[in-house]
Amino acid sequence: SQQGEEDPQALSIQEGENATMNCSYKTSINNLQWYRQNSGRGLVHLILIRSNEREKHSGRLRVTLDTSKKSSSLLITASRAADTASYFCATVLYNTDKLIFGTGTRLQVFP
Amino acid sequence: SQTIHQWPATLVQPVGSPLSLECTVEGTSNPNLYWYRQAAGRGLQLLFYSVGIGQISSEVPQNLSASRPQDRQFILSSKKLLLSDSGFYLCAWSVYPIGEQYFGPGTRLTVT
Repeated sequence: SQQGEEDPQALSIQEGENATMNCSYKTSINNLQWYRQNSGRGLVHLILIRSNEREKHSGRLRVTLDTSKKSSSLLITASRAADTASYFCATVLYNTDKLIFGTGTRLQVFP
Repeated sequence: SQTIHQWPATLVQPVGSPLSLECTVEGTSNPNLYWYRQAAGRGLQLLFYSVGIGQISSEVPQNLSASRPQDRQFILSSKKLLLSDSGFYLCAWSVYPIGEQYFGPGTRLTVT
């Protein structure tokens, strides 16, 4: 069953702009993770945020988590053409050890 | 450093034929191992996961099976492929069950 849903499904921006992707989930979580997938490739882990954390940064990435709204956002600042990829959120449900993936946001960054 | 290998990269198989996809991890011991399937333009569906040799948990009842004959080897098999088995198969490993996962390059399977 699908736990996370990303919004928007697709996003097109120019280089230098910021890209924001949102993820909503349905049940209590242990942590939430964001992954990136280039076309036809495996996924790459970007960032993990625990349920007791509200914000986390990694380079040009900023992730927020609002457990009261059951939502998270991924912000990529000063985007580059190389950021073109699909981005997935994944949640570890509370009291389980499984990662449940959302359907992803396809980001296109034009040079 | 740790690396994960998957092969083959692409595979075209007829309906009813057997399947064997292999995944190996280097540079770590006793990893948690996972098999996922990704349909075109979709998210990942967890198929199997393993926390140790011979320990396999199945998430989706279907004609696929998994085995873990060695600590860092994970095999996905089928005796008879169906058209619906087509997809992108990804192997992953993690240190902790709830931690970040590291993915292999994937195998694109087309059943004809």
